[in-house]
Order: sequence, then structure tokens, then C-alpha cells
Amino acid sequence: QQPVQSPQAVILREGEDAVINCSSSKALYSVHWYRQKHGEAPVFLMILLKGGEQMRHEKISASFNEKKQQSSLYLTASQLSYSGTYFCGTERAYAGNMLTFGGGTRLMVKP
Amino acid sequence: ETGVTQTPRHLVMGMTNKKSLKCEQHLGHNAMYWYKQSAKKPLELMFVYSLEERVENNSVPSRFSPECPNSSHLFLHLHTLQPEDSALYLCASSQEADYNSPLHFGNGTRLTVT
Repeated sequence: QQPVQSPQAVILREGEDAVINCSSSKALYSVHWYRQKHGEAPVFLMILLKGGEQMRHEKISASFNEKKQQSSLYLTASQLSYSGTYFCGTERAYAGNMLTFGGGTRLMVKP
Repeated sequence: ETGVTQTPRHLVMGMTNKKSLKCEQHLGHNAMYWYKQSAKKPLELMFVYSLEERVENNSVPSRFSPECPNSSHLFLHLHTLQPEDSALYLCASSQEADYNSPLHFGNGTRLTVT
């Protein structure tokens, strides 16, 4: 069952902050985050592990709440380059690297 | 040179044609994947190969046939496709087909079935 991402879309002004959530109804081992710009390949941002620390990629950070089976991606002081679609991919226990992806969150950062 | 290269970038084929998609990775990874990306749908895992052995076939119709001759190359053979198979097909690789291995994606092949 695929994870649910929210919001589906968000528009920001440069310098504003945003939070993207990824929720699963299944127990998770880890959560991956990827960003895909239009016409390009998805690019890996970070992995959140069960019991692990909050991760960071430039001014983007993420956390993983094991009890809620939810991960949140925090975009701080957004830049124009942050525009794109963000996908979370979840790994369940005993399923190896068989990621199930959410529907994506479209982020547009305007000057 | 990009880490994961897919050819062709665009493909238009009729329902009775046979074609193949090619993927090559230059990252020294041991696992390769095919994903399907349709409009307004999540990325769908189709096939996973680890050390050239198929480890996952996500209930994909038999009109899609993967081939992994070595750890650097992956093919997706297509035959008798349906219009609903039109999508972006993404190849990816990872160090291992195991936990915590980030996926490195190619730019995809945009397939249109007429």
C-alpha cells in the first residue's frame, strides 16, 4: 500500500518555509526522499532510518516518527532551485530495497 | 557522463510492434530496477535485479519482459502493448538490492503506444 503525501502541491515565495508529510499505514523500516524536476530523473535527497537521526541535505532536513509511521521533509528558506516534485519512498521490514512511492508533492518556488 | 543512461529517450510504437528499452549504469552497482511513471500515479516498481538475478516481479503483465545480461545493463522488451502502457519508464540502480541503498535514476524513456 502506497504512502500518502501531503500537501499535493504548494507554492512558496523565495525564502519561505514548507513542510511535506509522508504517512504510511504499515510499519516502516526507512523512508527515502527524492526530488524530480520537470523532464529530469528523480534525484536522491536522503534516507531516514528507523531509530536514526534527523537527516539534512543543504537547507532541507527530514525526520521520521516511528510511532506514527510518518516522515516530514522541512524546506527552510526555500530557493528557486527547490522547485520540483518531491517523492517519499518507504521500505517495510523484510522487504529490502523494494520502495513504495507516494503520489508526490509539487513544489513551486517563486521569486 | 551520467551514472545511469537510458535509450531511447522517446519511443512511439504501435500495439503490434516489438521494441526494447535499454539501460546502462556506470556506477559499479549490483542492483538494477525498472519503474513505471504514469501521469497522476505514483512511481510503480516493475522489476528488480540483484547480481543479474531477478528478485522481484511486481505482478507485471507478460507483455513486458526484462533482461539483465550483466550488472551494468538492463533491458525491457516490449511486445503487444496497450495504449494504457504509455508512460515514462525509469531505470534505476543501487549499490545493493537491500536496505538503505539510494536509488540512482536515469532520465527515462517516454513511451507512447498508439
